[in-house]
Amino acid sequence: NAGVMQNPRHLVRRRGQEARLRCSPMKGHSHVYWYRQLPEEGLKFMVYLQKENIIDESGMPKERFSAEFPKEGPSILRIQQVVRGDSAAYFCASSPRSGLAGGYNEQFFGPGTRLTVL
Amino acid sequence: GEDVEQSLFLSVREGDSSVINCTYTDSSSTYLYWYKQEPGAGLQLLTYIFSNMDMKQDQRLTVLLNKKDKHLSLRIADTQTGDSAIYFCAERYSSASKIIFGSGTRLSIRP
Repeated sequence: NAGVMQNPRHLVRRRGQEARLRCSPMKGHSHVYWYRQLPEEGLKFMVYLQKENIIDESGMPKERFSAEFPKEGPSILRIQQVVRGDSAAYFCASSPRSGLAGGYNEQFFGPGTRLTVL
Repeated sequence: GEDVEQSLFLSVREGDSSVINCTYTDSSSTYLYWYKQEPGAGLQLLTYIFSNMDMKQDQRLTVLLNKKDKHLSLRIADTQTGDSAIYFCAERYSSASKIIFGSGTRLSIRP
């Protein structure tokens, strides 16, 4: 059973370009979470999605950032008109149960996409 | 409020025990976690503790939780060079989607 997969692993963009980060959850998982890790910091929650629905986007910047998790295919985190401050590692996680359910519900993390904005 | 704090660096001699400390502010947290991140890699869940527990042991790892002081610690016995990594303390409420992470403690091992 493959783990959470993210691609690309490294992405370089110039200021003003668009960045698209992909995440394929573990098999059987329909709950996806995106986190951002700025240099020398911990991970910060961005958004939680189920198939075709955004459940919690309380950590998403209001502008330029969007996320989707279509019925078919991977989850996509899209950053429009990137700026240098967007340079970070972006991690995706998935879980087998709803993130809002009670009880233990492990989030399994992918290897991350390291975005560099020149 | 939501805040998890931990010291940035720890250096220990190979074979000694490492103790990494963490404080959190939200008393309604239900699960507390320790993750390990090696250079250029993702996060590996090492262990977790439920907030009604005081201690959990798993091979070389011991987690202690002091709920009154909101203090969590991770002890690694017989520290090896392969334990060099950044260790993140994290918390989550039972019915919340997000995990809240500390800034990480970088553990380095001296020969």
